Amino acid sequence: NAGVTQTPKFQVLKTGQSMTLQCAQDMNHNSMYWYRQDPGMGLRLIYYSASEGTTDKGEVPNGYNVSRLNKREFSLRLESAAPSQTSVYFCASTGGEQFFGPGTRLTVL
Amino acid sequence: AQSVSQHNHHVILSEAASLELGCNYSYGGTVNLFWYVQYPGQHLQLLLKYFSGDPLVKGIKGFEAEFIKSKFSFNLRKPSVQWSDTAEYFCAVNEGGTPLVFGKGTRLSVIA
Repeated sequence: NAGVTQTPKFQVLKTGQSMTLQCAQDMNHNSMYWYRQDPGMGLRLIYYSASEGTTDKGEVPNGYNVSRLNKREFSLRLESAAPSQTSVYFCASTGGEQFFGPGTRLTVL
Repeated sequence: AQSVSQHNHHVILSEAASLELGCNYSYGGTVNLFWYVQYPGQHLQLLLKYFSGDPLVKGIKGFEAEFIKSKFSFNLRKPSVQWSDTAEYFCAVNEGGTPLVFGKGTRLSVIA
């Protein structure tokens, strides 16, 4: 039982490059989330998926897209990375209590 | 929209001192309340949660929190902190199954 896993752990991109952050959970949770964490800002919700096949915008969705591939997997895509997207990204899933993945530290140069 | 305020940005305490971190939320309805801890370089871990019942909630590592509905507060306490409690602490709230809304966090530094 791995909980919530994320790949990659670290990534450096140049402005304009694209990438996909992967997230998977093995707890059979319906709801999954993507947050970004910036110093002094707490965690801000980017997108969430209440169930397989549905996605909704959170507080800061601009510049991101998501895919709920199946019940286990929820990916986050940056189509054209910008320096403002330099952050630590956390995936989470919930079955009442929210469990977090280990995070992806992304730097956009 | 729901919002969460954590009053202290950075708290510095000596070992064995008592801790209280403030958290206030904006919504007056039925809420679920959480405190998470993030140790340096790690992801968030749940310290404790309140859904209903006894407003004094005990969590892991000797932490507790009290839900005071009339004050919209859910303050975190620990009678005697240790160096290993150095971390960032986040209060969060949701209503039913909605996404969590987090406060901006309080950094706790415990010095010997």
